[in-house]
Amino acid sequence: GAVVSQHPSRVICKSGTSVKIECRSLDFQATTMFWYRQFPKKSLMLMATSNEGSKATYEQGVEKDKFLINHASLTLSTLTVTSAHPEDSSFYICSASTGRVYNEQFFGPGTRLTVL
Amino acid sequence: SQQGEEDPQALSIQEGENATMNCSYKTSINNLQWYRQNSGRGLVHLILIRSNEREKHSGRLRVTLDTSKKSSSLLITASRAADTASYFCATDGHNFNKFYFGSGTKLNVKP
Repeated sequence: GAVVSQHPSRVICKSGTSVKIECRSLDFQATTMFWYRQFPKKSLMLMATSNEGSKATYEQGVEKDKFLINHASLTLSTLTVTSAHPEDSSFYICSASTGRVYNEQFFGPGTRLTVL
Repeated sequence: SQQGEEDPQALSIQEGENATMNCSYKTSINNLQWYRQNSGRGLVHLILIRSNEREKHSGRLRVTLDTSKKSSSLLITASRAADTASYFCATDGHNFNKFYFGSGTKLNVKP
């Protein structure tokens, strides 16, 4: 149980285009989902927290208009990288929480974004 | 990192040896967790230690926590080549359900 999937696992796009990444909780309802960004050989940086049905809360320094997050249902959150540039190339990981157990997050496998 | 640092940044050992990784954090916490990440993959949860615990074991893993020093260590005993991965600590920084990750230690276990 507690499986989180991400789609796509890998995406290459041209500079200026927008890319949508999906995060799904497959066998549980996720009241809260989190989006992280990881640069090569670096740690995970929390980008934003999203609660189902409400606006995402972004961490300091993360551009809201650049990284659009939608959490429309209890099993799906999406991250859209708008007008992507090469510096947006990174590994994006989502996690999901039921909200029932404090500090329990289930992580997705990650999405590798490469912007040419 | 958003919360803390880990050392060493990289560690290379022979199979069978023990591996020790350290994590320091900046703010008070409710608990600290250790995760493993294989190259280019997602995170695997290893162990959680609460702020009122000093030591915890799980199989070949031993985690200690010193809240006075704001530090934790992860010991992997009798390492195997399959333990090769990056290891991260994550703290909650007293924010409900938010994780802040350390910078990670890249462990290479040579067969």
